[in-house]
Amino acid sequence: AQSVTQPDIHITVSEGASLELRCNYSYGATPYLFWYVQSPGQGLQLLLKYFSGDTLVQGIKGFEAEFKRSQSSFNLRKPSVHWSDAAEYFCAVGAGDSWGKFQFGAGTQVVVTP
Amino acid sequence: DGGITQSPKYLFRKEGQNVTLSCEQNLNHDAMYWYRQDPGQGLRLIYYSQIVNDFQKGDIAEGYSVSREKKESFPLTVTSAQKNPTAFYLCASSLTGTGNPEQFFGPGTRLTVL
Repeated sequence: AQSVTQPDIHITVSEGASLELRCNYSYGATPYLFWYVQSPGQGLQLLLKYFSGDTLVQGIKGFEAEFKRSQSSFNLRKPSVHWSDAAEYFCAVGAGDSWGKFQFGAGTQVVVTP
Repeated sequence: DGGITQSPKYLFRKEGQNVTLSCEQNLNHDAMYWYRQDPGQGLRLIYYSQIVNDFQKGDIAEGYSVSREKKESFPLTVTSAQKNPTAFYLCASSLTGTGNPEQFFGPGTRLTVL
């Protein structure tokens, strides 16, 4: 079974500064990896996904993530944070050989200060 | 516009009552899911369904029930057997197969037990 860990519960970043959110996964085969964002009281929106190929993937809202198999990581980055990026971010891992059951991390709350 | 709708947005229940949360999608997705979200715990899978008239228990199915009579609809009933039902409930859907397994989420229903 797959699992995912987001080591940082809470991150505070200044507007305009760079942001990196960590995600470590455990899965024996090739995983499907995702980053979602959630604004307060809302559903989750897909930022980006990795299935195979180029290990640096681009997503919406200026986010990117890099898959590092050797480190079992899929960290999310943004070069310059905007106040609207304040939200909770979830990493998810799915089994690479079938649809269906994802494991979600516990989430990282991002606060953006002026 | 294609998407997932959940109703109601807020729901209040007295102890001992069953309540049903609605989830409808017009994305023509075969698979649908119900998650429960509690602060600091990420998303936990309650039930999921790949096809009409078939569904499987997720990680925390006790005290919940579902039905899948139509492809577009996947209602969740929170029964009186669920000891701590106050939470945010999210419905999702996806294609099946290995090509595009990302899940799309509805806006959620917040259930409060009085």
